[in-house]
Amino acid sequence: DTGVSQDPRHKITKRGQNVTFRCDPISEHNRLYWYRQTLGQGPEFLTYFQNEAQLEKSRLLSDRFSAERPKGSFSTLEIQRTEQGDSAMYLCASSAGQGVNEQFFGPGTRLTVL
Amino acid sequence: DAKTTQPPSMDCAEGRAANLPCNHSTISGNEYVYWYRQIHSQGPQYIIHGLKNNETNEMASLIITEDRKSSTLILPHATLRDTAVYYCILRYQKVTFGIGTKLQVIP
Repeated sequence: DTGVSQDPRHKITKRGQNVTFRCDPISEHNRLYWYRQTLGQGPEFLTYFQNEAQLEKSRLLSDRFSAERPKGSFSTLEIQRTEQGDSAMYLCASSAGQGVNEQFFGPGTRLTVL
Repeated sequence: DAKTTQPPSMDCAEGRAANLPCNHSTISGNEYVYWYRQIHSQGPQYIIHGLKNNETNEMASLIITEDRKSSTLILPHATLRDTAVYYCILRYQKVTFGIGTKLQVIP
């Protein structure tokens, strides 16, 4: 088990373009989370999945953001019509089972919108 | 979500115990206290969690007050590699991090 992986690690895009990030959780972890982190701040919750069901979305997740986990394994986070304010680190985490198990974080995808 | 309050920064001499405080006065009965840390340019790393009782693992100890309104993370022998931002968070369904405490371990 190699832990949570994210791809790409870095993404530079122009304003108005669409971007998609991928997260591969730890095998058999049924919960998957997305966070956004800007410089000097802690991670902010965006959304989470239990298996393929998206159970909660933060108010931070505007209509331009969409996340999927079609087969209950990997997940994608798409940002449409990117804005400079979307520049941030996007972190993915996974956890096992129900309840209060700890989350294991990936290395993140750093997005820069020019 | 209940909020936590941590000092923005702390220094600790290498080899000494680092005691990181956290206030969570509005914690509810079913909320666990979790501690994570984030080393520069990496994703957060789980350290320890607890509900009521004090907890210890290979990384740290967690002391929770009897009224559960505050807790302290203890790194018994801090090393330079413990320099990081430490987050105290309350979690039921999801996690919301604050700014955390930036711990600087000094040689």
